[in-house]
Amino acid sequence: GAVVSQHPSWVICKSGTSVKIECRSLDFQATTMFWYRQFPKQSLMLMATSNEGSKATYEQGVEKDKFLINHASLTLSTLTVTSAHPEDSSFYICSAPPVRARPTNYNTEAFFGQGTRLTVV
Amino acid sequence: RKEVEQDPGPFNVPEGATVAFNCTYSNSASQSFFWYRQDCRKEPKLLMSVYSSGNEDGRFTAQLNRASQYISLLIRDSKLSDSATYLCVVKPGTGGYQKVTFGTGTKLQVIP
Repeated sequence: GAVVSQHPSWVICKSGTSVKIECRSLDFQATTMFWYRQFPKQSLMLMATSNEGSKATYEQGVEKDKFLINHASLTLSTLTVTSAHPEDSSFYICSAPPVRARPTNYNTEAFFGQGTRLTVV
Repeated sequence: RKEVEQDPGPFNVPEGATVAFNCTYSNSASQSFFWYRQDCRKEPKLLMSVYSSGNEDGRFTAQLNRASQYISLLIRDSKLSDSATYLCVVKPGTGGYQKVTFGTGTKLQVIP
């Protein structure tokens, strides 16, 4: 099945630095990528939706200048956490809708990257 | 009211027990429903889709009640390996290119 590869799986960085997280679709073209954040004991919260070749759409309350999203190709979307602070420490995960195998395909699942655990110290 | 609500648990059950989780959703227009499983510090993985008529996959049974706007997951003959957090997922439509809304998850701990 379709695979989304996310890198790095974990990162520790100093406060004030920037961290880039990559998500690649390995055997399909991902025109859309969803980026989520999950704090401990909380649900996955959608941060933004990236679309290849256009600007990302951010959810309410998510700072677009802090969380830079780039979707320059059909197989790569990146999330950069700029000037990271300890409160940005979280589990970040991307998800791409699958390529429809058949026109009648429905109730399609989402394919997730492996997640990135960010710790800002 | 949250869009998707779940009892966070934890549910501590002995091996072999039957356990059920419920999930309520607020958007009556929602069309697609799923149960995902998330192990600690891992990505969520699809457990099963939930169909209007209800569906079963081995020890797992999912039900949808549109009138009351909830879905349920029943696990029979619990195994230690079933210990995980179970996420209820709701989509507004059936297409793939749509946002999904996750519940907070229900933690299950199966005890020897």
